[in-house]
Amino acid sequence: DAGVIQSPRHEVTEMGQEVTLRCKPISGHDYLFWYRQTMMRGLELLIYFNNNVPIDDSGMPEDRFSAKMPNASFSTLKIQPSEPRDSAVYFCASSWGTGFTGELFFGEGSRLTVL
Amino acid sequence: AQRVTQPEKLLSVFKGAPVELKCNYSYSGSPELFWYVQYSRQRLQLLLRHISRESIKGFTADLNKGETSFHLKKPFAQEEDSAMYYCALGASYGKLTFGQGTILTVHP
Repeated sequence: DAGVIQSPRHEVTEMGQEVTLRCKPISGHDYLFWYRQTMMRGLELLIYFNNNVPIDDSGMPEDRFSAKMPNASFSTLKIQPSEPRDSAVYFCASSWGTGFTGELFFGEGSRLTVL
Repeated sequence: AQRVTQPEKLLSVFKGAPVELKCNYSYSGSPELFWYVQYSRQRLQLLLRHISRESIKGFTADLNKGETSFHLKKPFAQEEDSAMYYCALGASYGKLTFGQGTILTVHP
């Protein structure tokens, strides 16, 4: 398995543009998480899904952010319109739910720069 | 509410010196604590979990409920330990709250 796959790895866009980040979790994993990493705030949980259903989106900063998981093998995080303060590394992670082990498997991240 | 605090953003030590990365948490229930590590050009990965009481790559961490701490320690740091370290608190299934992270640099 190639692990969690994220795309794009790097995105540079201008303020006001729509940004879509994509994630393919590890096959068989039933939990999917989106995190945002910044130097100031560290790793923040934005939203997580269980069996494609959003469970907790309390970390989503505002209405400009939305996330979907149409099937077990794909999720998107969309920012519309983007702002410079959204510049960060966005991580997707997945895990499987037979007991809480705390082990999340992370993707390589998508580095977003909003000019 | 659950919160994880790592007071040091940067920590520098020399090879062979002891190292301690601090982590404090706030949670009203029974916590599950973890350390994650991100080496240069590698993915963020689990280093150790408190319930396992294991030593990984020479690192150990003890949960101190009285002080609400879960500090990561290693008696003799190596250059390959240089990385970003995150402390994480698990309060309900799969929902991990991470601290701000500490960048450890081990000098030769």
